[in-house]
Amino acid sequence: AQSVTQLGSHVSVSEGALVLLRCNYSSSVPPYLFWYVQYPNQGLQLLLKYTSAATLVKGINGFEAEFKKSETSFHLTKPSAHMSDAAEYFCAVKGTSGGSYIPTFGRGTSLIVHP
Amino acid sequence: KAGVTQTPRYLIKTRGQQVTLSCSPISGHRSVSWYQQTPGQGLQFLFEYFSETQRNKGNFPGRFSGRQFSNSRSEMNVSTLELGDSALYLCASSSGGASTGELFFGEGSRLTVL
Repeated sequence: AQSVTQLGSHVSVSEGALVLLRCNYSSSVPPYLFWYVQYPNQGLQLLLKYTSAATLVKGINGFEAEFKKSETSFHLTKPSAHMSDAAEYFCAVKGTSGGSYIPTFGRGTSLIVHP
Repeated sequence: KAGVTQTPRYLIKTRGQQVTLSCSPISGHRSVSWYQQTPGQGLQFLFEYFSETQRNKGNFPGRFSGRQFSNSRSEMNVSTLELGDSALYLCASSSGGASTGELFFGEGSRLTVL
Protein backbone atom coordinates (compact mmCIF):
# COMPACT_ATOMS: atom_id res chain seq x y z
CA ALA A 1 0.00 0.00 0.00
CA GLN A 2 1.13 3.54 -0.63
CA SER A 3 0.15 6.81 0.96
CA VAL A 4 1.11 10.47 0.97
CA THR A 5 0.99 13.00 3.78
CA GLN A 6 1.24 16.70 3.08
CA LEU A 7 1.96 18.65 6.22
CA GLY A 8 -0.03 21.85 6.41
CA SER A 9 -3.19 22.43 4.43
CA HIS A 10 -2.21 26.10 4.05
CA VAL A 11 1.21 27.73 3.79
CA SER A 12 1.54 31.50 3.77
CA VAL A 13 4.67 33.33 2.61
CA SER A 14 5.65 36.82 1.58
CA GLU A 15 6.63 37.59 -1.99
CA GLY A 16 10.35 36.91 -2.36
CA ALA A 17 10.49 34.50 0.57
CA LEU A 18 11.44 30.83 0.47
CA VAL A 19 8.68 28.40 -0.33
CA LEU A 20 8.74 25.01 1.42
CA LEU A 21 5.89 22.54 0.96
CA ARG A 22 6.28 19.26 2.82
CA CYS A 23 5.46 15.79 1.56
CA ASN A 24 6.10 12.44 3.22
CA TYR A 25 5.27 9.17 1.54
CA SER A 26 4.81 5.56 2.42
CA SER A 27 5.49 2.89 -0.12
CA SER A 28 6.51 -0.74 0.12
CA VAL A 29 8.64 -0.43 -2.99
CA PRO A 30 10.88 2.30 -4.38
CA PRO A 31 8.39 4.93 -5.44
CA TYR A 32 7.89 7.34 -8.25
CA LEU A 33 6.99 10.74 -6.81
CA PHE A 34 5.29 13.72 -8.36
CA TRP A 35 4.33 17.28 -7.54
CA TYR A 36 1.36 18.81 -9.31
CA VAL A 37 -0.01 22.36 -9.16
CA GLN A 38 -3.62 23.41 -9.57
CA TYR A 39 -4.63 26.99 -10.29
CA PRO A 40 -8.22 28.08 -9.57
CA ASN A 41 -10.79 26.49 -11.85
CA GLN A 42 -8.18 24.46 -13.69
CA GLY A 43 -6.92 20.91 -13.75
CA LEU A 44 -3.63 19.73 -12.32
CA GLN A 45 -0.34 20.40 -14.05
CA LEU A 46 2.88 18.49 -13.46
CA LEU A 47 5.61 20.51 -11.72
CA LEU A 48 8.24 17.79 -11.46
CA LYS A 49 8.75 14.08 -10.94
CA TYR A 50 11.27 11.77 -9.31
CA THR A 51 11.99 8.53 -11.09
CA SER A 52 15.25 7.50 -9.38
CA ALA A 53 17.59 9.17 -11.87
CA ALA A 54 18.65 11.93 -9.47
CA THR A 55 17.62 12.78 -5.93
CA LEU A 56 17.39 16.51 -6.61
CA VAL A 57 14.76 17.18 -9.23
CA LYS A 58 14.24 20.49 -10.95
CA GLY A 59 10.85 21.39 -12.31
CA ILE A 60 9.06 24.22 -14.00
CA ASN A 61 8.67 27.77 -12.66
CA GLY A 62 11.81 27.53 -10.52
CA PHE A 63 10.56 24.75 -8.26
CA GLU A 64 12.68 21.82 -7.17
CA ALA A 65 12.31 18.85 -4.83
CA GLU A 66 14.74 16.54 -3.10
CA PHE A 67 14.08 12.84 -2.59
CA LYS A 68 15.31 11.68 0.82
CA LYS A 69 14.84 7.96 1.24
CA SER A 70 15.93 7.89 4.89
CA GLU A 71 13.27 10.46 5.74
CA THR A 72 10.70 9.17 3.20
CA SER A 73 10.27 12.76 2.13
CA PHE A 74 9.94 14.68 -1.11
CA HIS A 75 9.62 18.32 -0.08
CA LEU A 76 9.01 21.02 -2.69
CA THR A 77 10.98 24.26 -2.54
CA LYS A 78 11.40 27.51 -4.41
CA PRO A 79 13.98 30.13 -3.38
CA SER A 80 11.79 33.17 -4.02
CA ALA A 81 8.00 33.19 -4.11
CA HIS A 82 6.07 35.12 -6.73
CA MET A 83 2.46 36.21 -6.52
CA SER A 84 1.74 33.92 -9.46
CA ASP A 85 2.78 30.89 -7.38
CA ALA A 86 -0.42 31.13 -5.34
CA ALA A 87 -2.19 27.85 -6.04
CA GLU A 88 -2.95 24.39 -4.64
CA TYR A 89 -0.04 21.93 -4.67
CA PHE A 90 -0.42 18.17 -4.62
CA CYS A 91 2.18 15.53 -3.90
CA ALA A 92 1.58 12.08 -5.41
CA VAL A 93 3.24 8.68 -5.13
CA LYS A 94 3.07 5.79 -7.55
CA GLY A 95 4.37 2.34 -6.68
CA THR A 96 6.49 0.47 -9.16
CA SER A 97 4.99 -2.94 -8.68
CA GLY A 98 1.62 -4.56 -8.30
CA GLY A 99 0.39 -3.46 -11.68
CA SER A 100 -1.10 -0.23 -10.41
CA TYR A 101 -0.55 2.76 -12.63
CA ILE A 102 -2.67 5.02 -10.49
CA PRO A 103 -0.94 7.53 -8.23
CA THR A 104 -2.09 8.26 -4.72
CA PHE A 105 -2.47 11.97 -4.07
CA GLY A 106 -2.00 13.92 -0.87
CA ARG A 107 -4.73 16.20 0.42
CA GLY A 108 -3.04 19.24 -1.05
CA THR A 109 -1.41 22.39 0.32
CA SER A 110 -2.74 25.81 -0.54
CA LEU A 111 0.11 28.29 -1.04
CA ILE A 112 -0.78 31.89 -0.19
CA VAL A 113 1.64 34.60 -1.28
CA HIS A 114 1.41 38.02 0.36
CA PRO A 115 2.74 41.16 -1.38
CA LYS B 1 -0.64 19.15 -29.50
CA ALA B 2 -4.11 19.56 -28.07
CA GLY B 3 -4.53 18.90 -24.37
CA VAL B 4 -7.16 16.92 -22.53
CA THR B 5 -10.62 18.25 -23.23
CA GLN B 6 -13.52 17.81 -20.86
CA THR B 7 -17.13 18.69 -21.57
CA PRO B 8 -19.23 20.22 -20.26
CA ARG B 9 -17.22 22.55 -18.02
CA TYR B 10 -20.14 23.40 -15.77
CA LEU B 11 -23.49 21.79 -15.21
CA ILE B 12 -26.32 21.90 -12.72
CA LYS B 13 -28.56 18.92 -12.03
CA THR B 14 -31.19 18.03 -9.47
CA ARG B 15 -31.25 15.05 -7.15
CA GLY B 16 -32.28 11.83 -8.82
CA GLN B 17 -31.17 12.86 -12.29
CA GLN B 18 -28.25 11.34 -14.12
CA VAL B 19 -25.29 12.98 -15.80
CA THR B 20 -22.75 12.03 -18.45
CA LEU B 21 -19.34 13.68 -18.64
CA SER B 22 -17.00 13.41 -21.58
CA CYS B 23 -13.22 13.38 -21.86
CA SER B 24 -11.04 13.49 -24.96
CA PRO B 25 -7.44 12.52 -24.13
CA ILE B 26 -4.26 13.73 -25.73
CA SER B 27 -3.76 12.14 -29.12
CA GLY B 28 -1.94 8.83 -28.75
CA HIS B 29 -2.72 8.38 -25.07
CA ARG B 30 -4.48 5.11 -24.34
CA SER B 31 -5.11 5.52 -20.62
CA VAL B 32 -7.85 7.71 -19.22
CA SER B 33 -8.51 8.03 -15.51
CA TRP B 34 -11.18 9.92 -13.63
CA TYR B 35 -11.03 11.70 -10.27
CA GLN B 36 -13.57 13.36 -8.03
CA GLN B 37 -12.31 16.46 -6.24
CA THR B 38 -14.15 17.95 -3.28
CA PRO B 39 -12.99 20.30 -0.51
CA GLY B 40 -13.65 17.68 2.14
CA GLN B 41 -12.21 14.55 0.51
CA GLY B 42 -9.58 15.94 -1.82
CA LEU B 43 -8.75 14.02 -4.99
CA GLN B 44 -10.35 10.61 -5.07
CA PHE B 45 -9.72 8.09 -7.82
CA LEU B 46 -12.82 6.82 -9.60
CA PHE B 47 -11.58 4.49 -12.33
CA GLU B 48 -9.07 4.05 -15.11
CA TYR B 49 -9.55 2.77 -18.62
CA PHE B 50 -6.85 1.46 -20.91
CA SER B 51 -7.59 0.34 -24.46
CA GLU B 52 -11.34 0.23 -23.77
CA THR B 53 -10.95 -1.95 -20.66
CA GLN B 54 -11.39 -0.85 -17.08
CA ARG B 55 -8.01 -1.50 -15.53
CA ASN B 56 -8.48 -0.04 -12.05
CA LYS B 57 -11.45 1.02 -9.98
CA GLY B 58 -11.72 3.18 -6.90
CA ASN B 59 -14.07 2.83 -3.97
CA PHE B 60 -17.21 4.43 -5.33
CA PRO B 61 -20.76 3.05 -5.51
CA GLY B 62 -22.12 1.44 -8.64
CA ARG B 63 -23.94 4.65 -9.53
CA PHE B 64 -20.61 5.78 -10.92
CA SER B 65 -19.69 4.11 -14.17
CA GLY B 66 -17.54 4.76 -17.17
CA ARG B 67 -16.49 3.54 -20.52
CA GLN B 68 -13.85 4.12 -23.14
CA PHE B 69 -14.28 4.09 -26.88
CA SER B 70 -11.95 2.79 -29.55
CA ASN B 71 -10.61 6.31 -30.17
CA SER B 72 -9.68 6.49 -26.44
CA ARG B 73 -12.34 9.07 -25.65
CA SER B 74 -14.01 8.31 -22.36
CA GLU B 75 -17.30 9.04 -20.67
CA MET B 76 -18.34 8.72 -17.09
CA ASN B 77 -21.92 8.50 -15.92
CA VAL B 78 -23.45 9.14 -12.55
CA SER B 79 -26.98 7.93 -12.04
CA THR B 80 -29.49 8.87 -9.35
CA LEU B 81 -27.56 11.96 -8.37
CA GLU B 82 -27.17 12.87 -4.71
CA LEU B 83 -26.27 16.23 -3.17
CA GLY B 84 -22.91 14.78 -2.17
CA ASP B 85 -22.01 14.18 -5.80
CA SER B 86 -21.43 17.90 -6.25
CA ALA B 87 -17.76 18.11 -7.14
CA LEU B 88 -15.15 18.88 -9.74
CA TYR B 89 -14.67 15.79 -11.90
CA LEU B 90 -11.23 15.60 -13.43
CA CYS B 91 -10.12 13.45 -16.29
CA ALA B 92 -6.46 12.64 -16.90
CA SER B 93 -4.74 10.88 -19.75
CA SER B 94 -1.38 9.19 -20.06
CA SER B 95 0.41 6.89 -22.40
CA GLY B 96 -0.51 4.20 -19.92
CA GLY B 97 2.55 2.07 -20.35
CA ALA B 98 5.30 3.09 -17.95
CA SER B 99 4.58 3.58 -14.28
CA THR B 100 6.74 6.68 -14.41
CA GLY B 101 4.33 8.32 -16.79
CA GLU B 102 2.85 11.61 -15.73
CA LEU B 103 -0.83 12.38 -15.90
CA PHE B 104 -2.15 15.16 -18.10
CA PHE B 105 -5.31 16.65 -16.65
CA GLY B 106 -8.23 18.39 -18.24
CA GLU B 107 -9.77 21.49 -16.67
CA GLY B 108 -12.57 19.46 -15.18
CA SER B 109 -16.34 19.38 -15.20
CA ARG B 110 -17.90 21.14 -12.24
CA LEU B 111 -21.13 19.43 -11.26
CA THR B 112 -23.61 21.04 -8.90
CA VAL B 113 -26.48 18.92 -7.63
CA LEU B 114 -29.46 20.81 -6.22
